[in-house]
Amino acid sequence: GAVVSQHPSWVICKSGTSVKIECRSLDFQATTMFWYRQFPKQSLMLMATSNEGSKATYEQGVEKDKFLINHASLTLSTLTVTSAHPEDSSFYICSVAPGGGTDTQYFGPGTRLTVL
Amino acid sequence: KQEVTQIPAALSVPEGENLVLNCSFTDSAIYNLQWFRQDPGKGLTSLLLIQSSQREQTSGRLNASLDKSSGRSTLYIAASQPGDSATYLCAVIKNQFYFGTGTSLTVIP
Repeated sequence: GAVVSQHPSWVICKSGTSVKIECRSLDFQATTMFWYRQFPKQSLMLMATSNEGSKATYEQGVEKDKFLINHASLTLSTLTVTSAHPEDSSFYICSVAPGGGTDTQYFGPGTRLTVL
Repeated sequence: KQEVTQIPAALSVPEGENLVLNCSFTDSAIYNLQWFRQDPGKGLTSLLLIQSSQREQTSGRLNASLDKSSGRSTLYIAASQPGDSATYLCAVIKNQFYFGTGTSLTVIP
């Protein structure tokens, strides 16, 4: 399977600041990546689909101006949480999808965000 | 909208027991179903992928079955070990991944 990395693995920031999370596909080119959010003791919820060279597609209820996604290359997608608040504290996981996401996805190790 | 439920939410068993985790989904028109393991604070590790044309998959002590018509999948773990302790997630796949609520498994030595 594909190898996916995320950076940082954990981050603590003050309320009102912005945080950027990177997702890298290390061994193949990914035109499609996905971003998920997981609150404590809850399951993963899809936030958005990141498409290389075009705008991301956001799920209902996810603010696109707050969660900025950039997929500038076939191996890198970034998620920026702007003006973070404590309620944004969560575990953010990305995945890459060789087949566009309809068959299987390979998941990154996740990034723990804590907003004070 | 696809809803995926896993029962039980938590399970504690003594080492060596065989156990079954359940996953149910509301829309049976799915492509595939995948079982994952998640350790605390970590990402997902894929365990088994069942394609829509298949009824089960096996890997070592793990066996997963899929019954699309009834909207159910089960993950069978044989001879459980303390190292199996983790949260197990099922994901139903149709255009995107829909994750279940997870089962937190504790295997007591």
